[in-house]
Amino acid sequence: IAGITQAPTSQILAAGRRMTLRCTQDMRHNAMYWYRQDLGLGLRLIHYSNTAGTTGKGEVPDGYSVSRANTDDFPLTLASAVPSQTSVYFCASSDTTGGDYNEQFFGPGTRLTVL
Amino acid sequence: GQNIDQPTEMTATEGAIVQINCTYQTSGFNGLFWYQQHAGEAPTFLSYNVLDGLEEKGRFSSFLSRSKGYSYLLLKELQMKDSASYLCAIMDSNYQLIWGAGTKLIIKP
Repeated sequence: IAGITQAPTSQILAAGRRMTLRCTQDMRHNAMYWYRQDLGLGLRLIHYSNTAGTTGKGEVPDGYSVSRANTDDFPLTLASAVPSQTSVYFCASSDTTGGDYNEQFFGPGTRLTVL
Repeated sequence: GQNIDQPTEMTATEGAIVQINCTYQTSGFNGLFWYQQHAGEAPTFLSYNVLDGLEEKGRFSSFLSRSKGYSYLLLKELQMKDSASYLCAIMDSNYQLIWGAGTKLIIKP
């Protein structure tokens, strides 16, 4: 059982290039999330999806887009990368359909450097 | 506005007890989470509090006071492997998590 996988593990990207970060989960969770983590700041939500076919904007969505064509996959695309998007990106998922709380499970992260 | 405060860094001795505090002001409250994050790794779930009081789970306990907007994570019998960052997060009225910046805990022998 893999849980959540992310690819690539790390990437160095030239400014202006397009990049897609991949995220796949095998837990059949309905909800998925993309966060960025920067030194000295908490995790910040970029986009989320409560169920396949729907997406929503988080706290810092500008410059990013997502899609949720099926339950398992939730790719994050940077249309034209800028240096301020240098960060560690975490994908997470949770089952929000029932239970006492909605624990989020995290992927291993993608370290992205934009030069 | 929404605000979550935690100390940036704490140091403790192996075998001792440490308390990591978290204060918050958020729009809506649907529970408070504590996560552990080792350097270079993903956050992992430690605890969840939605009602006032203490939740104990082995060496780790978490306390919540909703009226004071305050929580703490208590770690007992500290081990070197407990060296990590501890993240406090609030589930807001939209059931999204709002995260604190985290507390880096350094354990010394």
